[in-house]
Formats: sequence, structure tokens, C-alpha cells
Amino acid sequence: EDQVTQSPEALRLQEGESSSLNCSYTVSGLRGLFWYRQDPGKGPEFLFTLYSAGEEKEKERLKATLTKKESFLHITAPKPEDSATYLCAVQAGETSGSRLTFGEGTQLTVNP
Amino acid sequence: DGGITQSPKYLFRKEGQNVTLSCEQNLNHDAMYWYRQDPGQGLRLIYYSQIVNDFQKGDIAEGYSVSREKKESFPLTVTSAQKNPTAFYLCASSTNRQGSNQPQHFGDGTRLSIL
Repeated sequence: EDQVTQSPEALRLQEGESSSLNCSYTVSGLRGLFWYRQDPGKGPEFLFTLYSAGEEKEKERLKATLTKKESFLHITAPKPEDSATYLCAVQAGETSGSRLTFGEGTQLTVNP
Repeated sequence: DGGITQSPKYLFRKEGQNVTLSCEQNLNHDAMYWYRQDPGQGLRLIYYSQIVNDFQKGDIAEGYSVSREKKESFPLTVTSAQKNPTAFYLCASSTNRQGSNQPQHFGDGTRLSIL
């Protein structure tokens, strides 16, 4: 069974204080790892897809990296508008089709 | 603009009542999905459909039913058999078929509560 664990559950940062969120996964045959951002009362917004170990993707203050066991979402000099819940999900195996398995998310708060 | 539309935004269910949540997409995506999100928990898959007139159970299908008569639409019915239906329900779609790995795109959800 595919498993995804995110840490920490919650993170408070001061504006400009860089940090990282972790997503550890146990799957059979990773086909893709996805990062989403979710604002309160809204659906998740797609950020990145990572396909293989060593891959990196960047978007503004966010950078996602992938190893064989985990992915990190690095946030550089965050701003209050980066406050949200960040979700990690994996797609794995040849028989599971297109379904995703999600972690429980990290709730990020950036104080001004 | 292309996207996924869920309605209603808020829904209330009485005891013994079935309710249907609407999900429509104009992205020309083949696959559609329904998830349930509870406070402090990740998204859990209820049902998914990779092609019209076909769908599969996810991890928590008991008490729910779906249909996929049109490519654009994937309604979810929460039946009276679902004893704890209070949650945030999210619909998603993607271009995926078996073996593909494209991201899923989400609507803005329906919040279901019990009266």
C-alpha cells in the first residue's frame, strides 16, 4: 500500500525566514510526485510535478526537490501570502491508473 | 475560462436523505475523481472514472454512488447509508489514462453538513 507522510503538521515562520517542508513516501514504482497549495475553503492548486530522483522545479519563492525516499518544498524568503496548506501526493504502480495518494498536509503560516 | 465547477458550495442533508453533488469540467479531460477531506486529514479517494460509462471505487466508496454518462460531468450522490457525511468534497479531473502521470486539477469544493 502506498504511503505518504508530511512533516511538520504545522509551521510558523516570520516573513523572510526560509524553511523546508518534507514529504516522505513509500510506494512501489513511483510515476510522479505532486505538490499542491490549498487555501482555506478552496480546492488544491497544482504547483509542481517531479518524476525522478534528482529532479528540481522552481516557481517564484518555491523550489521542490526529489530523492528516492522523499521530497522537499523549500520556501525562500516567504511572504504572508505564502500562508496556506501544502499537500504532497504520489502516483505509483502500473495497475493503479491515474489515482493519487495524498499526505495530510503541512499548514504554513507566515507572519509579517 | 476552462475549469472545474462544483455546486452547490454549501449543502445540508437531513437524516435519511440522499443528496447529489454536481461536478462539471470544460477542460476536455478524460478522467474525473471525487475526494473527501476531513479536518486534519489528507484527501481520500471516493470514486474515480477514467472514461465515460466506466468508474471504479476508491478507498472509501461505501455510502456513495456516482455516474459518468457524459465526459464533462461526474455527479456524486451521498446516500443515507453514509453515516458520517459531514466533510468537504472535492472533484478533480486530469488527462490521465492508465500509465500516464499528469496532474489532477481541482474544483473549489462542496461543504456538506448534517441538519
